[in-house]
Amino acid sequence: DAMVIQNPRYQVTQFGKPVTLSCSQTLNHNVMYWYQQKSSQAPKLLFHYYDKDFNNEADTPDNFQSRRPNTSFCFLDIRSPGLGDAAMYLCATSRDVQQETQYFGPGTRLLVL
Amino acid sequence: QQQVKQSPQSLIVQKGGISIINCAYENTAFDYFPWYQQFPGKGPALLIAIRPDVSEKKEGRFTISFNKSAKQFSLHIMDSQPGDSATYFCAASRVKLIFGTGTRLQVFP
Repeated sequence: DAMVIQNPRYQVTQFGKPVTLSCSQTLNHNVMYWYQQKSSQAPKLLFHYYDKDFNNEADTPDNFQSRRPNTSFCFLDIRSPGLGDAAMYLCATSRDVQQETQYFGPGTRLLVL
Repeated sequence: QQQVKQSPQSLIVQKGGISIINCAYENTAFDYFPWYQQFPGKGPALLIAIRPDVSEKKEGRFTISFNKSAKQFSLHIMDSQPGDSATYFCAASRVKLIFGTGTRLQVFP
């Protein structure tokens, strides 16, 4: 039944050690998004893919990268995590970019030691 | 102009009461206004959404009121239940989803 799946649900990494978070979807949606959500804040869009077209937000640090090898999977790579990158990372999908519902996964909680 | 302002920041309601959360926007190009519900440790889930050609939409106990001229929209939760205790985000979209700052709702029995 799960439509947007994120693994792992919890990730602990060390300061500066690269980490990859994964997202998969069974909805066959064209668009996949990555959001960062810190405690008591709204989700903040990092970037999205429309099919294979990558769209980066202007204020997303270079430390964050993404890959979408096929329609179903999307990865978030954090090259050198800092303490400030500890957050919930949410993956979402939508059929299109306009007037479309975004379906969120359960999130991956990242802890940086 | 891309902001969505949401109030109140937190809300405490008695079981059976009405919860009201308000949002305001500036960008008249927004054409889709969803509300998301988020429980602790979970991702946001779509609750109800409205498009600007409609002034009200009701789904069960949840109603969105939309005032296009005032650029405001609100969520009403009728007969609020303890299970409704969560954080609620309004949002507005043209291409990107712009979230409000969130309202933490607590419903006490």
